[in-house]
Amino acid sequence: GIQVEQSPPDLILQEGANSTLRCNFSDSVNNLQWFHQNPWGQLINLFYIPSGTKQNGRLSATTVATERYSLLYISSSQTTDSGVYFCAVVPVVDDMRFGAGTRLTVKP
Amino acid sequence: EAGVAQSPRYKIIEKRQSVAFWCNPISGHATLYWYQQILGQGPKLLIQFQNNGVVDDSQLPKDRFSAERLKGVDSTLKIQPAKLEDSAVYLCASSLFRSPSYEQYFGPGTRLTVT
Repeated sequence: GIQVEQSPPDLILQEGANSTLRCNFSDSVNNLQWFHQNPWGQLINLFYIPSGTKQNGRLSATTVATERYSLLYISSSQTTDSGVYFCAVVPVVDDMRFGAGTRLTVKP
Repeated sequence: EAGVAQSPRYKIIEKRQSVAFWCNPISGHATLYWYQQILGQGPKLLIQFQNNGVVDDSQLPKDRFSAERLKGVDSTLKIQPAKLEDSAVYLCASSLFRSPSYEQYFGPGTRLTVT
């Protein structure tokens, strides 16, 4: 089945810093979503982005489907950005597959 | 618009006991998913419903897990009997239709501890 690799696995930032999270996938996909899992376990939808670029406030994402990767940018990070960020893909013939996540800690 | 609802939020049981989880999807969403998330890992799909029919249960351990969505709205997931390795967060999600072009939205999850 499709492989989804996220990097880095862990990231520690000082408040106000910027960061880039990466998601590589091994096959063509019909759907790609980025989620933020907060400390209470809730998965919050950030972006639905099978291709192209989207922005929402301090967050933006870019997916280059032909090269099989997606990037999530977080600017001016805040302590509330802490948690685990998941990339999830839906291959052409299969169900949604999640990466292992990037654990982000933002220190005040 | 109300999100995906799940209950209970937490459950602690002993091994070999039974447990059931409930999910109410976003109104109008035809497709419902149950995922299992073990600590430190991403969620993994257990079963997918389209209205009240199962479209994929290939990852569901059918000797102990069962799920139903009788009226095409609410769903229940049951484990009987539970094992220690079933300790995980069980997440319910829904989407408008089954097509991969539709976003999935997740509920808050049920954290199960089997002792």
